[in-house]
Amino acid sequence: DTAVSQTPKYLVTQMGNDKSIKCEQNLGHDTMYWYKQDSKKFLKIMFSYNNKELIINETVPNRFSPKSPDKAHLNLHINSLELGDSAVYFCASSRTSGATLNSYNEQFFGPGTRLTVL
Amino acid sequence: DAKTTQPPSMDCAEGRAANLPCNHSTISGNEYVYWYRQIHSQGPQYIIHGLKNNETNEMASLIITEDRKSSTLILPHATLRDTAVYYCIVGDYKLSFGAGTTVTVRA
Repeated sequence: DTAVSQTPKYLVTQMGNDKSIKCEQNLGHDTMYWYKQDSKKFLKIMFSYNNKELIINETVPNRFSPKSPDKAHLNLHINSLELGDSAVYFCASSRTSGATLNSYNEQFFGPGTRLTVL
Repeated sequence: DAKTTQPPSMDCAEGRAANLPCNHSTISGNEYVYWYRQIHSQGPQYIIHGLKNNETNEMASLIITEDRKSSTLILPHATLRDTAVYYCIVGDYKLSFGAGTTVTVRA
């Protein structure tokens, strides 16, 4: 059983298209995340949801919209794709958000979705 | 905005211990030290975390200095499968990954 799964694994699309990446976790965790890893391999957090509530929203273009239908799913929708959106996108989850005193934040990552915009 | 400094790369002989240093001189009192690793093309994998005390689990040991300004991750018996980028992260609820240390384990 895969703990954190993402679909699709690879996504090749044209500039200007709209696409979605899906993420599901079966760990019973409350918090989920989206990260972007660009060609320089830096991993940057984009969004975090805790119990379907947005708690982290980094400086990400409005074209990116996360959606959490329930706490086991966090999908990423991207409008009007641009060349610079090409990257590997990782979903992750953790038991808690780590935002409360003395709580830590062990995150479990999915396998990644490699997005290529042509 | 990574708050840690790590060497960009290091080599290790298979079967030997690998000691990975990390400086985090601006760490605040409630921030944990986390170590993750990323094996080529895979998602990052949690290794260990600590606050003040040294920690050990089945994967590694974490030694944190008394002033908490630096730490060392120890892989006791490195194998070829331990070749990866190792990230030292300090934070509370938001993890910021830096460039990490590329560790190459050689036979």
